[in-house]
Amino acid sequence: KAGVTQTPRYLIKTRGQQVTLSCSPISGHRSVSWYQQTPGQGLQFLFEYFSETQRNKGNFPGRFSGRQFSNSRSEMNVSTLELGDSALYLCASSFYLGVITNYGYTFGSGTRLTVV
Amino acid sequence: SQQGEEDPQALSIQEGENATMNCSYKTSINNLQWYRQNSGRGLVHLILIRSNEREKHSGRLRVTLDTSKKSSSLLITASRAADTASYFCATGSEKLVFGKGTKLTVNP
Repeated sequence: KAGVTQTPRYLIKTRGQQVTLSCSPISGHRSVSWYQQTPGQGLQFLFEYFSETQRNKGNFPGRFSGRQFSNSRSEMNVSTLELGDSALYLCASSFYLGVITNYGYTFGSGTRLTVV
Repeated sequence: SQQGEEDPQALSIQEGENATMNCSYKTSINNLQWYRQNSGRGLVHLILIRSNEREKHSGRLRVTLDTSKKSSSLLITASRAADTASYFCATGSEKLVFGKGTKLTVNP
């Protein structure tokens, strides 16, 4: 079956702009979570959605937001971009919220965002 | 904040050798996972070990967990050039907390 699909793969934006990233989870998976990866801070949890509701949120400013649609697809939005938002943004999906099977989470290939 | 801390940060070995990476964490856990990441791409789940397990095998991978020391190790036996990647341990369920990773280079 198809994996987790993230679009676009690469994005270049200017400071002050906003950006929307998309994630399509594995069919049947209802939990979608987002992570930011930077060389300095490593992998950090942004937020998780389950059945269209945000269940968990990491320590990021309000400029970072997201949503999940009824088909479980998710988007994350970053407004008023800063240079420090340059990162690889990863989406992960799982079937259940908070229940880790032996297969763990399935991650997408990520969106590489560069803010100039 | 990082829950897990991998050690070493970087490891370079020859093909055929074994590679051992260690992970320490701070709080009690229900499970610990290891993921691999090839050159800035997505994470691939390798193996999960639950808190009541001490050792788990999957192919050339062997993971141990010592909850008294709050540490885990990942052993890759008979390494191949294709194993070159960064390896991360992660704890948590609803949200994963990752270590900073070990960058493994396997030289042909």
